[in-house]
Formats: sequence, structure tokens, C-alpha cells
Amino acid sequence: SQKIEQNSEALNIQEGKTATLTCNYTNYSPAYLQWYRQDPGRGPVFLLLIRENEKEKRKERLKVTFDTTLKQSLFHITASQPADSATYLCALDRNNNDMRFGAGTRLTVKP
Amino acid sequence: DGGITQSPKYLFRKEGQNVTLSCEQNLNHDAMYWYRQDPGQGLRLIYYSQIVNDFQKGDIAEGYSVSREKKESFPLTVTSAQKNPTAFYLCASSTSIGNEQYFGPGTRLTVT
Repeated sequence: SQKIEQNSEALNIQEGKTATLTCNYTNYSPAYLQWYRQDPGRGPVFLLLIRENEKEKRKERLKVTFDTTLKQSLFHITASQPADSATYLCALDRNNNDMRFGAGTRLTVKP
Repeated sequence: DGGITQSPKYLFRKEGQNVTLSCEQNLNHDAMYWYRQDPGQGLRLIYYSQIVNDFQKGDIAEGYSVSREKKESFPLTVTSAQKNPTAFYLCASSTSIGNEQYFGPGTRLTVT
């Protein structure tokens, strides 16, 4: 069956460090993968989209990689700040019909 | 001010009652979605619609119904057949299936 796994339920890091979140998938052949941020009690907010033919995408302090051989995406936040604390979700398209979301990783950046 | 709205933010119902959650978007998006989120769990797809007058079941459609009579509106009805309706419900839209999704603020439904 198709599965999306995000590396851990929670990740705690110190301010200024780089946060690295992992999204692994099985039995998918996604054309693209997306990352979202969700704050408590609110809807997710789109951050980045990376296509299968792109190895890496950057946006300000964010970087996403997409390895279709390993079936994995890594999401990096450099120079992390307490304001980056949130839950981060990865999402994959499924046969171009709809998106499926991972359960998310809750990131806490401590000052 | 373009965006996607959901109302109400909090909704309380007695068991056995049907309830309809509103979702409206003025982004001119063709695709719309309904998700359910339970504590500590990811988003689970209930229904989605690619165009007006068409919608498809997601992974957990049982006990729910939708309609898409207008491009900007995609209401979700939680029926009394839904065994565990208490949850956080999120509506989203996108230009088409597979593109980035824009989410509403969510409706927290509590059924007692």
C-alpha cells in the first residue's frame, strides 16, 4: 500500500542551528512533492513544491531536496529561529488525482 | 481580499444530528478538498472535487456528503452515520489537482 512517513513526531533544536526533516514514501511515483507549515489550530500553509526532475529547491532559509531513487525528500531550515516552531507536513500527489499528506513533524526551536 | 473561508470556527452538535460545514473560496480555483485532522494525526482526505458538479470520495468518505453546485462553494455535511465526527475539519482549494493547496482556517466540530 502507499505510505508516507515523516521521520519523527517531534524534533527539538537550538536556535541558529539547521533543522532537517525527512519525508519517505513507498509505492508512490509522485510527479512532485510539497511541504507545508501548520501552526496549532490553523490550516496548513504552502511552503515549497519540488518536481521529480528537480534535485533541489531553495526559498530564503528553506531548502528542499527530492531523491526519487531513495524515495525521500529532505526539508532544511537554516539559521532556525523560535518563530520556525510549527508542524511541517510533506504531501505527494497520487496518480495525479489527489494529494496525500504525511502525519507531520513538530519542530521546536529553543532560544 | 482573496482567500478561502470556513464557517463557523467552532461548532457543537448533539449526536444523531446532521451538520453542514461551509467552505467558500474567491480564488477562482477549480479544485476543492475536505480533510479531517485528529490529534496527533495527519490530514485525511474526505472528498475532493476537480470541477463543478463533480466530486470524488477520498479515503474516509463514509458518513460524509458534499455538493459542488458552484465553483466557489464546497459544503460538507457530516451525517449521523459518521461514527466519530468530533474532529478539526479543513477545506482547501487549488488551481487544479496536484498543485499547491490553499487552506481555510478550519472548523472544530464537537459532537456530544
